[in-house]
Amino acid sequence: GNSVTQMEGPVTLSEEAFLTINCTYTATGYPSLFWYVQYPGEGLQLLLKATKADDKGSNKGFEATYRKETTSFHLEKGSVQVSDSAVYFCAFRYYKLSFGAGTTVTVRA
Amino acid sequence: EAGVAQSPRYKIIEKRQSVAFWCNPISGHATLYWYQQILGQGPKLLIQFQNNGVVDDSQLPKDRFSAERLKGVDSTLKIQPAKLEDSAVYLCASSPGNTDDDEQFFGPGTRLTVL
Repeated sequence: GNSVTQMEGPVTLSEEAFLTINCTYTATGYPSLFWYVQYPGEGLQLLLKATKADDKGSNKGFEATYRKETTSFHLEKGSVQVSDSAVYFCAFRYYKLSFGAGTTVTVRA
Repeated sequence: EAGVAQSPRYKIIEKRQSVAFWCNPISGHATLYWYQQILGQGPKLLIQFQNNGVVDDSQLPKDRFSAERLKGVDSTLKIQPAKLEDSAVYLCASSPGNTDDDEQFFGPGTRLTVL
């Protein structure tokens, strides 16, 4: 069936480090792909999305590219800040939105 | 613009009791969703409304869960009777429509603890 698998956490980094969170999906068609973020004490919010192969979503210094050949949508940021500490969810939409388990990221000053 | 409102924010009940959650979506949003997020997992869709009609309730445990969206605006999710495994955060979201271009906006959630 359709599903999404993302890298398990927690992930702890120092400020200005490079962040990658792996996400792969299994789908019978070509879903739209999303990254959502949940900051401490806040609601879930959309970070970026890509709706077709080779599209790159970007926002707040984060990027992810829709790779059909590897069925992946890895999230990257070149230099993280303490304010990036949050839980990150990979998701895909094929008739409905389905989420991965989430990856907790903590950035230390 | 006001976001998605949910109440209560926290609820503690004993098993076999009943509980209800309320959601007020963003004004003008036709589509409303209820998700269940168990600790350590991603949100799982329980039910989706388009205006006041149900689009998808395939993952709603209908023997104990019910939801309604009267007049196509506010929505209520009820659990009766609650079980221990219902302990979770219940998220409400809304979107203008039902396409990939329609971003879902999430409320703060209601954290339910069943003892």
